[in-house]
Amino acid sequence: DTGVSQDPRHKITKRGQNVTFRCDPISEHNRLYWYRQTLGQGPEFLTYFQNEAQLEKSRLLSDRFSAERPKGSFSTLEIQRTEQGDSAMYLCASTPTPEETQYFGPGTRLLVL
Amino acid sequence: SQQGEEDPQALSIQEGENATMNCSYKTSINNLQWYRQNSGRGLVHLILIRSNEREKHSGRLRVTLDTSKKSSSLLITASRAADTASYFCATDVKPGNTDKLIFGTGTRLQVFP
Repeated sequence: DTGVSQDPRHKITKRGQNVTFRCDPISEHNRLYWYRQTLGQGPEFLTYFQNEAQLEKSRLLSDRFSAERPKGSFSTLEIQRTEQGDSAMYLCASTPTPEETQYFGPGTRLLVL
Repeated sequence: SQQGEEDPQALSIQEGENATMNCSYKTSINNLQWYRQNSGRGLVHLILIRSNEREKHSGRLRVTLDTSKKSSSLLITASRAADTASYFCATDVKPGNTDKLIFGTGTRLQVFP
């Protein structure tokens, strides 16, 4: 199965630490999206890439968050100086072209103590 | 912010019964997608319906879209215990080429054997 993969699946960290998540999209999918989901809510858009270009960032993405997709393949999402409010599921999705199905990975569940 | 609102928030039925979930949204769209999420897992894509379509079927799923009322419904026929999950509708935003998805708050479906 060559679906979207995310690593790690779970991360527990202490407040103030930095964390980095990785997303590997489906091969040849040009668009890659990051979403965040808190308990009992639907996912909320964070940012997206068209190949290596980051084209939009949500206001949810504070300056402690940074995302990259250096070669237009995998992407990383880094959170610096984590806060307890960052605890959530971080989901990655990819799609080959606009207005098509977005395929989601299994997510990375972050717990900040 | 969430664009969509699902109704009901929670639904409990017996195996074999049909389950109907509704979704309302606020802005014009290019398409609407339905996803399923098992507890603590990633999102599984169920069906995509475009703004110029009124009804779509996939196996036991039937989706309708009424753009004049900005609403959609998902019908699961002959439900099974394995259908127990949260169901989310997600829309893109038209006009625009962002293609980011805006999710509703979800319907939690419980199917009892």
